[in-house]
Amino acid sequence: ETGVTQTPRHLVMGMTNKKSLKCEQHLGHNAMYWYKQSAKKPLELMFVYNFKEQTENNSVPSRFSPECPNSSHLFLHLHTLQPEDSALYLCASSQRADHQETQYFGPGTRLLVL
Amino acid sequence: SQQGEEDPQALSIQEGENATMNCSYKTSINNLQWYRQNSGRGLVHLILIRSNEREKHSGRLRVTLDTSKKSSSLLITASRAADTASYFCATVSPGYSTLTFGKGTMLLVSP
Repeated sequence: ETGVTQTPRHLVMGMTNKKSLKCEQHLGHNAMYWYKQSAKKPLELMFVYNFKEQTENNSVPSRFSPECPNSSHLFLHLHTLQPEDSALYLCASSQRADHQETQYFGPGTRLLVL
Repeated sequence: SQQGEEDPQALSIQEGENATMNCSYKTSINNLQWYRQNSGRGLVHLILIRSNEREKHSGRLRVTLDTSKKSSSLLITASRAADTASYFCATVSPGYSTLTFGKGTMLLVSP
């Protein structure tokens, strides 16, 4: 248990669906991250929020839309996804994004797009 | 762009043996971190070594860093079946605020 929770743990959606992934951290951290992990590829950073402000958008397609209402919660809104978006989506948090120390990861959401 | 690259891609050993994984990177770093990931789960931080450090220990883990060769190694001594996982190195470069991960080494420890 790392103090970072993600829901749902598994998600199957069609290409026309809209769904949201949720991440919550109970560590008092100020930075939160979304990563995508596909088979045989390095972990890809998608978005970074530092003190609720988005500081990094790693050329992510607009069908992925992040939202950070406060320092403890992070969402990833999904719409009109493609089959190649199927992957494990990991959320992480750290004390702050501009001093890169340890990141704490959630268990991930396994997404399958049909 | 990918910074860390682990070697080997996969490693299979018997319980009790030592496991050594290597990580090479391309540009200068502030620190290098090792993480473990059990199958289909989140990553767990193992150890962080700063650019001015050469060696660090944590329990059965030993990490070395050679900045002249831009490489690091992770040694797990007296391995156990529970050490079966993927191991990733991640680097933080000066002027950047994010971690860059490699593809990882899959370690299988057989009883």
